[in-house]
Amino acid sequence: ELKVEQNPLFLSMQEGKNYTIYCNYSTTSDRLYWYRQDPGKSLESLFVLLSNGAVKQEGRLMASLDTKARLSTLHITAAVHDLSATYFCAVDEGNLIFGKGTKLSVKP
Amino acid sequence: DGGITQSPKYLFRKEGQNVTLSCEQNLNHDAMYWYRQDPGQGLRLIYYSQIVNDFQKGDIAEGYSVSREKKESFPLTVTSAQKNPTAFYLCASSALGGLNQPQHFGDGTRLSIL
Repeated sequence: ELKVEQNPLFLSMQEGKNYTIYCNYSTTSDRLYWYRQDPGKSLESLFVLLSNGAVKQEGRLMASLDTKARLSTLHITAAVHDLSATYFCAVDEGNLIFGKGTKLSVKP
Repeated sequence: DGGITQSPKYLFRKEGQNVTLSCEQNLNHDAMYWYRQDPGQGLRLIYYSQIVNDFQKGDIAEGYSVSREKKESFPLTVTSAQKNPTAFYLCASSALGGLNQPQHFGDGTRLSIL
């Protein structure tokens, strides 16, 4: 059974700080997606990572994929309050298998 | 604007009642999906369809049914057999087969028991 584990599940950080969210998975998939969800809202696609070594950046967020380690990271640089949300990784095994999400709270 | 429309936004179910959640997309996507989200959890796949008149069970299909009579529409029925239906339901779509394309999500339907 494919497992997708995110950590931490909860993250409280101060504005201006850097942090990394980790997504470990148990298969050899080389397709992984990151989504953002605001409270009570839908999921917004952030990054599509399609090969080993893939790195994507958008603003203060950078995602990478290491298929050999079965690990993806979402790095936050100089956090701002607007980044407060829940972040999900999802591994593509024909269908998407989602992690439980990391709830990020950025405080002034 | 292209997108996915789910309705209603909030829905209440009485004991023994079937309810249907609507999902319509105008993105010309072949694949459509239904997910269930419980508080503090990721999304779990209920059903998916990659072509009209065909659909497959996901991980938690028991107590649910779907139809795919049109490419644009993928309604989900929560039957009385689903004993714990209270959750946030999300519909998604993607280009053919979903490979290498992110799924696009609707705004969700929140279902509660009366």
